[in-house]
Amino acid sequence: NAGVTQTPKFRVLKTGQSMTLLCAQDMNHEYMYWYRQDPGMGLRLIHYSVGEGTTAKGEVPDGYNVSRLKKQNFLLGLESAAPSQTSVYFCASSYGTSGGSSYNEQFFGPGTRLTVL
Amino acid sequence: LAKTTQPISMDSYEGQEVNITCSHNNIATNDYITWYQQFPSQGPRFIIQGYKTKVTNEVASLFIPADRKSSTLSLPRVSLSDTAVYYCLVGDANYGQNFVFGPGTRLSVLP
Repeated sequence: NAGVTQTPKFRVLKTGQSMTLLCAQDMNHEYMYWYRQDPGMGLRLIHYSVGEGTTAKGEVPDGYNVSRLKKQNFLLGLESAAPSQTSVYFCASSYGTSGGSSYNEQFFGPGTRLTVL
Repeated sequence: LAKTTQPISMDSYEGQEVNITCSHNNIATNDYITWYQQFPSQGPRFIIQGYKTKVTNEVASLFIPADRKSSTLSLPRVSLSDTAVYYCLVGDANYGQNFVFGPGTRLSVLP
């Protein structure tokens, strides 16, 4: 199993450009999450999904959109990138309430380092 | 959402036992306590989870007193490779989105 994978690993954008970050998981997890992590800080939840076709806002959703068209994929979009969105983005997934060895243990991807100039 | 407070940083030496305490005074009845570990340039990794009393796995132990207003992560005989940031999270286990990552505790293990 590959676990949680993220594409791309690095990206540099100019202000106003758009891009999509792709997260994929092969563990048949119901829940998926997008976080951002700024230097020296913890992770902040951007958006999450509790199942295919559903999405919801987290703590810092402004400037981002998401889609979960397939259970295994969770896409994070930036329509008009701003320097304040320079960060490391982590995707995670978890079983949800349907099972797993621990309640909602989140499995994280390796991260995408995004710089907006 | 239950807020947690933990030390910003700790230093230890190889071979010592390290205890990191987390305060969560407004923990709710349905809340679980979960600890994650994060190495530089990597995503966090689950370490241990508990509801009450003591939980032990191959990596760590988690001690939770009866009032559940705090918890202590215990790492036995740390090595240099245990240098990382450790996060204490509290939330209803049925709602993964409710687990909030604070700034964590930066543990530095010295030789």
